[in-house]
Amino acid sequence: KAGVTQTPRYLIKTRGQQVTLSCSPISGHRSVSWYQQTPGQGLQFLFEYFSETQRNKGNFPGRFSGRQFSNSRSEMNVSTLELGDSALYLCASSSSQGGSYNEQFFGPGTRLTVL
Amino acid sequence: AQSVTQLDSHVSVSEGTPVLLRCNYSSSYSPSLFWYVQHPNKGLQLLLKYTSAATLVKGINGFEAEFKKSETSFHLTKPSAHMSDAAEYFCVVTRISGYSTLTFGKGTMLLVSP
Repeated sequence: KAGVTQTPRYLIKTRGQQVTLSCSPISGHRSVSWYQQTPGQGLQFLFEYFSETQRNKGNFPGRFSGRQFSNSRSEMNVSTLELGDSALYLCASSSSQGGSYNEQFFGPGTRLTVL
Repeated sequence: AQSVTQLDSHVSVSEGTPVLLRCNYSSSYSPSLFWYVQHPNKGLQLLLKYTSAATLVKGINGFEAEFKKSETSFHLTKPSAHMSDAAEYFCVVTRISGYSTLTFGKGTMLLVSP
């Protein structure tokens, strides 16, 4: 099976712009989670989608949003970019249908740099 | 509520010597625990997981961890470090049943010298 794929792998944007990141989960996985990783804050949970519905959301401002399509692919969007949004954004997929101990499989991440 | 504390931000070992990465957790529920590894510019790879089947869990690449409920710990060990083990390691806690998100520790950077 192909792993989790994320596109693009690298992005450079300027303050005030918006950005869309894409994640394709492992085939058959219906849960997709997004994380932000920074040197200062570590790995922080952004949100999770399951069957096109946002099931949980972390403590991030409304500038961060996401969606999931019927084929389980997910996108996250960040509007009005700030310098502090520079981070590695990781996507993870799981077959979880409620049993949260199911392993999450991570993609390679998208490195976003905001200038 | 749940939280994870990785007691060392950096651990340095010599190749061939044992590795010990320490993790303590807190959870209001029966926990499920994971260790993930992240190599530079890569995603996270699961090393091992505890889901109550056995307290001593064996993972990939010779790593293992022991769940100690009385000490609320889940330390990661390996008898003999290899240069390729140099990476960042994350301890993660979640609920063993019912829906919950993953909570990550801050990470421990393992440095391996020849």
